[in-house]
Amino acid sequence: TQLLEQSPQFLSIQEGENLTVYCNSSSVFSSLQWYRQEPGEGPVLLVTVVTGGEVKKLKRLTFQFGDARKDSSLHITAAQPGDTGLYLCAGTISNFGNEKLTFGTGTRLTIIP
Amino acid sequence: NAGVTQTPKFQVLKTGQSMTLQCAQDMNHNSMYWYRQDPGMGLRLIYYSASEGTTDKGEVPNGYNVSRLNKREFSLRLESAAPSQTSVYFCASSPTTTNGKLFFGSGTQLSVL
Repeated sequence: TQLLEQSPQFLSIQEGENLTVYCNSSSVFSSLQWYRQEPGEGPVLLVTVVTGGEVKKLKRLTFQFGDARKDSSLHITAAQPGDTGLYLCAGTISNFGNEKLTFGTGTRLTIIP
Repeated sequence: NAGVTQTPKFQVLKTGQSMTLQCAQDMNHNSMYWYRQDPGMGLRLIYYSASEGTTDKGEVPNGYNVSRLNKREFSLRLESAAPSQTSVYFCASSPTTTNGKLFFGSGTQLSVL
């Protein structure tokens, strides 16, 4: 059973459209990260959210952490070909001083020019 | 501005052969990690080193060994490669183990025939 479920698995849209991808879990996270990975490269950290309900913006990307800290979304406005990549969420669970980081399986996004 | 450097970039092994993947970081980070990435499985933690002088098993440690040579370097060894170890391997580092903010290398694509 995957602790972090990402949806959709694949998304292909036209340049200029808006999109939202999701990261869901039944566990409560102390923090959640979003990474983007391009072909042949390692993931690159985009943002960390910590507080329930928190919203962070990075240019055309808007990240939201759910109120209960169990889920998150990434919204991209006016998608561009440079947004193409694998988007990974990763959550940290704290358990009696033990920190465990778990990655989702990712959303593979393709922006068509 | 190197960050995390992994070598080699590509490797082909025959079943039973051994090899060591090298990783070095120049960010003075305390913690280092080895992950494998397989289609549909996401990133899975093999081993990690919370600080110099310590190593711990992750989610999928069988068939691997690690060495934290010093604060900069963390190597991953396959003693007797198996086809199930065909994967893309990523090394990562972070200031601590508790904030989920990882910096990744560009990966090693390993094929075991």
